[in-house]
Amino acid sequence: AQSVTQLDSQVPVFEEAPVELRCNYSSSVSVYLFWYVQYPNQGLQLLLKYLSGSTLVKGINGFEAEFNKSQTSFHLRKPSVHISDTAEYFCAVIPRDTNAGKSTFGDGTTLTVKP
Amino acid sequence: DTEVTQTPKHLVMGMTNKKSLKCEQHMGHRAMYWYKQKAKKPPELMFVYSYEKLSINESVPSRFSPECPNSSLLNLHLHALQPEDSALYLCASSQEGVYNEQFFGPGTRLTVL
Repeated sequence: AQSVTQLDSQVPVFEEAPVELRCNYSSSVSVYLFWYVQYPNQGLQLLLKYLSGSTLVKGINGFEAEFNKSQTSFHLRKPSVHISDTAEYFCAVIPRDTNAGKSTFGDGTTLTVKP
Repeated sequence: DTEVTQTPKHLVMGMTNKKSLKCEQHMGHRAMYWYKQKAKKPPELMFVYSYEKLSINESVPSRFSPECPNSSLLNLHLHALQPEDSALYLCASSQEGVYNEQFFGPGTRLTVL
């Protein structure tokens, strides 16, 4: 079984400031890791994913995340946020050894970017 | 075409009504999913279809009935719903195999009166 903990339920930040959204996971098997963004009244959009290889992954909209196996973390970062980044962010894991199967999502982090 | 489409966008129904939600994808994905999402919560998996066969049912009440007529279409039939079933219903699809990154549709906002 897997679990995902997003350590901050809400993150307020001023425009052009850096931001980090934290995600820790627990799993008895190897997993793939994902970050999704959800704007109000919309579906989920993939920001970035870690499958293998370099532990620093770059995604859309200037976001990046670093996979840390020893700390079982996958924190999301952006060096300078915009008002338009205000949204809900979900970290998710999928076991590597399944086909169509179950994603485990964190509870989400609400990022609010203030002018 | 890298889109998952869902219709309708909004649906209001009474507790005695029968309605259906539709989802379509043309990416050749062989796995399709229904999720339910309440406000400020993560999506909760309801059903997974793999190669048009139901492979996961997360103990969903029988008032929700999924159907996969072909590899591109997924329906969710609704009957005798309760007000607590009001939520955003999300459809997703993915490839089978190496990893299953899920592509999500925009959702149907359901309100049960």
